[in-house]
Amino acid sequence: QKEVEQNSGPLSVPEGAIASLNCTYSDRVSQSFFWYRQYSGKSPELIMSIYSNGDKEDGRFTAQLNKASQYVSLLIRDSQPSDSATYLCAVDSGGSNYKLTFGKGTLLTVNP
Amino acid sequence: SQTIHQWPATLVQPVGSPLSLECTVEGTSNPNLYWYRQAAGRGLQLLFYSVGIGQISSEVPQNLSASRPQDRQFILSSKKLLLSDSGFYLCAWSAPGTSQETQYFGPGTRLLVL
Repeated sequence: QKEVEQNSGPLSVPEGAIASLNCTYSDRVSQSFFWYRQYSGKSPELIMSIYSNGDKEDGRFTAQLNKASQYVSLLIRDSQPSDSATYLCAVDSGGSNYKLTFGKGTLLTVNP
Repeated sequence: SQTIHQWPATLVQPVGSPLSLECTVEGTSNPNLYWYRQAAGRGLQLLFYSVGIGQISSEVPQNLSASRPQDRQFILSSKKLLLSDSGFYLCAWSAPGTSQETQYFGPGTRLLVL
């Protein structure tokens, strides 16, 4: 069974610090990786997608992918209290069945 | 741009009652559609997905069913709700084609079964 593992947290960082969120996955054929942010009581919203090994930057967010280690991470620079949320890692299930497997999420708290 | 709607936003139902949740997508054709459930403190569980009208794949055996009567409409139903059906129900869509797995979520329906 395909698995996506995340530290449940909570991860607490001071305002202005770098938050580092990690995710490992079990399916070696996975090609697409996503990070979603979910505020309490709200639905998940897409932050970033990454498909190739290395880093991908978008504003204060950087996604890092290492397929050999089956590891994907999300760095949030200059963390703000508004970044406080649960972050979900999602990985495609390989093949052509259009499905994503989600981790249970990491709760991030940014303290002012 | 694409928009996804879900209703109702909140629902309180007695055990044994029927259920119908609706999801519609605007601004795209032939989307892949998904139903997820998120129970308190747990991850997203894929319930059903559909790649076209009348095409439904079930991921988890349960007392729920799904239907896709129109291209951009996805319905989640139950004949008799259980207490364990309580949770946050999310509809999502993705563009058709094997390289477009990015899923976008609707606002969700919070269901409480008493």
